[in-house]
Amino acid sequence: KNEVEQSPQNLTAQEGEFITINCSYSVGISALHWLQQHPGGGIVSLFMLSSGKKKHGRLIATINIQEKHSSLHITASHPRDSAVYICAAIGNEKLTFGTGTRLTIIP
Amino acid sequence: KAGVTQTPRYLIKTRGQQVTLSCSPISGHRSVSWYQQTPGQGLQFLFEYFSETQRNKGNFPGRFSGRQFSNSRSEMNVSTLELGDSALYLCASSLLAGWDTGELFFGEGSRLTVL
Repeated sequence: KNEVEQSPQNLTAQEGEFITINCSYSVGISALHWLQQHPGGGIVSLFMLSSGKKKHGRLIATINIQEKHSSLHITASHPRDSAVYICAAIGNEKLTFGTGTRLTIIP
Repeated sequence: KAGVTQTPRYLIKTRGQQVTLSCSPISGHRSVSWYQQTPGQGLQFLFEYFSETQRNKGNFPGRFSGRQFSNSRSEMNVSTLELGDSALYLCASSLLAGWDTGELFFGEGSRLTVL
């Protein structure tokens, strides 16, 4: 079992829908990154959070360190949001990545 | 402000050869970390360097090595290449050491194919 699990693995939605991607981890962590990877490989860091909630535009990330769970939400989804979303947990001086969620937004 | 630059972007090698990949961080960033991404294993951490010192190392064999120079540029080397080393190698830079000190800025990656 991976230390960092993401769900769903694949998600297809219509433009405008509210999207939720989940990340759960089995070890204690100090913080967690949410990353976005577009086809071609480039990765963009969306959020780093250690508690509570952060918002940037249409993206919202939440984390509950005690419950070992984080979520990434996208409001009013758009085809340009189509990408792979990856969470990465920081704990015990290790950075452990989730397996990623492939999101496809259909116009 | 220029982003993180990785060279080369694509390369093809044969088994047994060695390869050196380069990463130039954002100006002013002193921390560089390296990652391997494969379809089977996903993203995995290789090394982290800060001010020319390796702070952390992932679970990879000794064929994988790296270094950081005084201008913060970093190189990683893979010797005696194996087919399984075919991957996208990504580096990321940040201002401070440690992944929980701030945002990570990734390069576009170097795609290595081993034949």
